Amino acid sequence: QQQVKQSPQSLIVQKGGISIINCAYENTAFDYFPWYQQFPGKGPALLIAIRPDVSEKKEGRFTISFNKSAKQFSLHIMDSQPGDSATYFCAASSAGTASKLTFGTGTRLQVTL
Amino acid sequence: GAVVSQHPSRVICKSGTSVKIECRSLDFQATTMFWYRQFPKQSLMLMATSNEGSKATYEQGVEKDKFLINHASLTLSTLTVTSAHPEDSSFYICSAKGQGRYEQFFGPGTRLTVL
Repeated sequence: QQQVKQSPQSLIVQKGGISIINCAYENTAFDYFPWYQQFPGKGPALLIAIRPDVSEKKEGRFTISFNKSAKQFSLHIMDSQPGDSATYFCAASSAGTASKLTFGTGTRLQVTL
Repeated sequence: GAVVSQHPSRVICKSGTSVKIECRSLDFQATTMFWYRQFPKQSLMLMATSNEGSKATYEQGVEKDKFLINHASLTLSTLTVTSAHPEDSSFYICSAKGQGRYEQFFGPGTRLTVL
């Protein structure tokens, strides 16, 4: 019940295209859903996050879509750039579990020229 | 976003020695800090949660006597890997959050290699 399932495992997108990564959860107590970007040899960086009271949040080229009834959320990267090539992790947490993050398995994104 | 630092960034040690890793929140008070371990091409595995001034809470399967965590101040937490062995070689990452906040900010990680 604590799992967060993430897909796809890897993704190749052409420069300028849209990258879409999906996550699904089971624990209805989760109330915070962040996305992290990680480059090789570096720590994860908080990219964007959403609470379940909204269905979409946009920050620049990054958008989270959230479907509470389906218990799914996704990250859209518009106008993907080679510099976006990294591993992306979705995560979820709830105040009831001391805000511990449950991470997805990660998606390796490669943006080609 | 808030800044979290880790020191050292890379450490190589001999089997049997102890290694201390520091995690600092530079521009906010971190009431809670988390320590993770990450193997190559895998997700992050939470090792323990520490609240300032309290004993750390370890995840199931993590040896508390092996991985000593101290969170003595609102800006500093330390992880000591005691009597390190080659199987302890990994990428260790800390994160920090402020009171009442959801956001967790991660440090740059420490690459530990035990020979």
